[in-house]
Amino acid sequence: AQKVTQAQTEISVVEKEDVTLDCVYETRDTTYYLFWYKQPPSGELVFLIRRNSFDEQNEISGRYSWNFQKSTSSFNFTITASQVVDSAVYFCALSEQRTGGFKTIFGAGTRLFVKA
Amino acid sequence: DAGVIQSPRHEVTEMGQEVTLRCKPISGHDYLFWYRQTMMRGLELLIYFNNNVPIDDSGMPEDRFSAKMPNASFSTLKIQPSEPRDSAVYFCASSPLKGQGSHEQYFGPGTRLTVT
Repeated sequence: AQKVTQAQTEISVVEKEDVTLDCVYETRDTTYYLFWYKQPPSGELVFLIRRNSFDEQNEISGRYSWNFQKSTSSFNFTITASQVVDSAVYFCALSEQRTGGFKTIFGAGTRLFVKA
Repeated sequence: DAGVIQSPRHEVTEMGQEVTLRCKPISGHDYLFWYRQTMMRGLELLIYFNNNVPIDDSGMPEDRFSAKMPNASFSTLKIQPSEPRDSAVYFCASSPLKGQGSHEQYFGPGTRLTVT
C-alpha cells in the first residue's frame, strides 16, 4: 500500500537555525518517485524537488538539502540557516506508476514557523 | 511561461447552488489533476486525466461532483448541488507525460470555495 508519513505536525525555530523535516514512505513498487512541495501562507503549492527510486544521491540546492535513504524508506529535507521566508507548510509526496498514468499521495504536511 | 490558471480564485455560494471551477493546464502537459484541501482531510486527489481522458476518479466524493476535460487546455470541476461540507480550497495541477519532468505536478493558485 502507498503511504507517506510526516510525523512532525508543526516545527518552530528561530531564524538561522537548521531544521530537518522528516518523511517516511511505504510502497511495494520498485520504481517510484518522491517529492517535496512547499505551501507558503499565500496558498499555492510549489514543487521543490523530485527523486526517483534509483537515485539515492543526496541533493543540495542552496540552503536546502535532501537525504534519501531507501534502507529506512525516508526522504528527509533539511533547511540550513533558516529564514523567515521559509515559513510554510511542507509536503512530502510519493508517486507510483499505474495503468494509464500514475498515482501520487501526499503526506499530511509539516508546518514550519521561522521566527525572527 | 504561464503556469496553471484557475478561476475563480474565490467563490462564495449558497447551499444547493451549482458551482463550476475552471482550470487551464500548462501547455504541453498531458496530465491534469483536481485536488481538494481541507484542514481535516489534508490534500485529497479527486480525479485526474491523461490526454483529456479521465483515468482515476475514485477520489470524487459523490455523484454531486463531476469533472470534464473537453480539450487539452481546459478542464472543469462541477459541484451540483453544493453543500457546506464542500467548502475547501480546490487545486488544479498539471504534469508532463514523461522524461525529466515525470510525475512532477505544477499547481494552480487554487479556488477557495465557501458554501453557506
